[in-house]
Amino acid sequence: EVQLVESGGGLVQPGKSLKLSCAASGFTFSGSDMHWVRQAPGKGLEWVGLIRTKAKRYATAYAASVKGRFTISRDDSRNTAYLQVNSLKTEDTAVYYCTRHLRACSGGSCYAWFDPWGQGTLVTVSS
Amino acid sequence: QSVLTQPPSASGTPGQRVTISCSGSRSNIGSNTVNWYQQLPGTAPKLLIYSNNQRPSGVPDRFSGSKSGTSASLAISGLQSEDEADYYCAAWDDSLNGLWVFGGGTKLTVL
Repeated sequence: EVQLVESGGGLVQPGKSLKLSCAASGFTFSGSDMHWVRQAPGKGLEWVGLIRTKAKRYATAYAASVKGRFTISRDDSRNTAYLQVNSLKTEDTAVYYCTRHLRACSGGSCYAWFDPWGQGTLVTVSS
Repeated sequence: QSVLTQPPSASGTPGQRVTISCSGSRSNIGSNTVNWYQQLPGTAPKLLIYSNNQRPSGVPDRFSGSKSGTSASLAISGLQSEDEADYYCAAWDDSLNGLWVFGGGTKLTVL
């Protein structure tokens, strides 16, 4: 069974840091780009960033709202992706999900989607 | 404010057909495929439709997607009580070095 399990969330003070983990199983993790998506309480989904595979030099990309404060990394030997969140703000309070990037090409066009999603880990930023 | 625009709410009675719209621009929906995710209360999002109109294995054929120009739609026919959930559209956006964008979500209520 393809599965993603996040951990590492909790209550943290503004300005502090936290490292979230996403443990993968049931698929070839090293061959998959991975994303982080967050959801503030009662709000919609917001893409946070992605990390590509070793073949793509572990390239990363981030949403403007977190660029410079958040860092995504991965350890393929542990089948785990990470989200390091620094200089936390109250508006970073959210459930953080990791999800796998899937891609297919047909007729000269390629398309991508996210599947599956982990259960999420809650980060609460408050003094 | 989300890059993709969805109505905040939709509703229908059991057995009815409902549609949820998702409006974007040339750099996202106009240039790339649209995916839809279903989020049941208290759970993580789940892939519902990918590549505009493709259903993953296990998703009932009551769910269908379409795209035209810079807009997309999700249709649910034969509405059931278990369809009550939040629905999100998403697409890759070619602008600003590329990033993924979501709609604000539509809360579907089955009356």
